[in-house]
Amino acid sequence: DTEVTQTPKHLVMGMTNKKSLKCEQHMGHRAMYWYKQKAKKPPELMFVYSYEKLSINESVPSRFSPECPNSSLLNLHLHALQPEDSALYLCASSHPWGELFFGEGSRLTVL
Amino acid sequence: AQSVTQLDSHVSVSEGTPVLLRCNYSSSYSPSLFWYVQHPNKGLQLLLKYTSAATLVKGINGFEAEFKKSETSFHLTKPSAHMSDAAEYFCARGGSNTGKLIFGQGTTLQVKP
Repeated sequence: DTEVTQTPKHLVMGMTNKKSLKCEQHMGHRAMYWYKQKAKKPPELMFVYSYEKLSINESVPSRFSPECPNSSLLNLHLHALQPEDSALYLCASSHPWGELFFGEGSRLTVL
Repeated sequence: AQSVTQLDSHVSVSEGTPVLLRCNYSSSYSPSLFWYVQHPNKGLQLLLKYTSAATLVKGINGFEAEFKKSETSFHLTKPSAHMSDAAEYFCARGGSNTGKLIFGQGTTLQVKP
């Protein structure tokens, strides 16, 4: 069982919708990550939060908006997405610069 | 530039035979190295990690990897494959001064009965 919990597991949304992906961890990690993964490809880093502050933004379009309300929670707000944004979105956490622990992902389909 | 190269995109073995998944890294120093496994429609699970301690690293489910600095390699092995080992495997390295992981392109392991 993963100790990083992501909800929802599946999400279907239209291009005009606003939705959010949520991630929670209770391992005391102070770094949290969002990755995007297309089929048969490695995960691509989107954002890194360290001690609840955004430390890395990999030039992600503004239609993706991350939020870290506290040290255990990480959200990814979605608005006006495109069909090419359909992917598996993975959350991960770690001690700073330690190994990453991943959640099971949220499968997003944009119609 | 820092990079990770997985030398085989697809490996096929018979159940009960050894597994070898190859990974090379580029670096001017000894980085942290990881192997992750991903089963279909699942997240990534850490198999093992190297962080400059013992060069032979043992992981979960019978996997191990050997860090060879002279060859800049970190190949993953298992003596005897199980059907449940069929999955996608990613080699990754820690980025210098960041929390960013650099992933290889992945190797699909097929296990035949």
